[in-house]
Amino acid sequence: KNQVEQSPQSLIILEGKNCTLQCNYTVSPFSNLRWYKQDTGRGPVSLTIMTFSENTKSNGRYTATLDADTKQSSLHITASQLSDSASYICVVSGILTGGGNKLTFGTGTQLKVEL
Amino acid sequence: NAGVTQTPKFQVLKTGQSMTLQCAQDMNHEYMSWYRQDPGMGLRLIHYSVGAGITDQGEVPNGYNVSRSTTEDFPLRLLSAAPSQTSVYFCASSPTNRGTGELFFGEGSRLTVL
Repeated sequence: KNQVEQSPQSLIILEGKNCTLQCNYTVSPFSNLRWYKQDTGRGPVSLTIMTFSENTKSNGRYTATLDADTKQSSLHITASQLSDSASYICVVSGILTGGGNKLTFGTGTQLKVEL
Repeated sequence: NAGVTQTPKFQVLKTGQSMTLQCAQDMNHEYMSWYRQDPGMGLRLIHYSVGAGITDQGEVPNGYNVSRSTTEDFPLRLLSAAPSQTSVYFCASSPTNRGTGELFFGEGSRLTVL
């Protein structure tokens, strides 16, 4: 069964500190992995996409990594800001027989950045 | 740039009532979908559509109906609301259901069934 597990469930850090969120998956065959940011009361917004051949990708203070061999991804946030407080959702896309893709969602990591 | 628009944002229903959640997108996306989000669970797919006139069931379709008469609109109907349908509902669209598949989400509709 395709699964996506995220850790930790929740995290509190001080403003300016760095943090790393983890995503482990069992989805196969693999197409891509996305990290979404969901602010409270809003819909998720894509931060970055990782395909099979990519190891690292940055989007400002966000850096995602992918190890397709161990089926693990991480999202590293540098110099955190209060606006980084949100839920971060890992979504893995698997390839369907006949084409198209099927998404498997993680339950998210709730990050709170405090002064 | 409107993107994906959902209405209403909040709704309270009594058990047995019916209602429709509206979703419209202005990006000419082929793919549209409805998800529900419950505490401690990942987003779960209710129904989806890969184009006008084509709909299919997702992971949790029972109690919901959809139709896709135009590319822009994808309403979700609750036939006879139950307390188990209390949730936050998200509509999402994507340029295609093949390839990279980035989803563009609406702001969500919070539904409470009493």
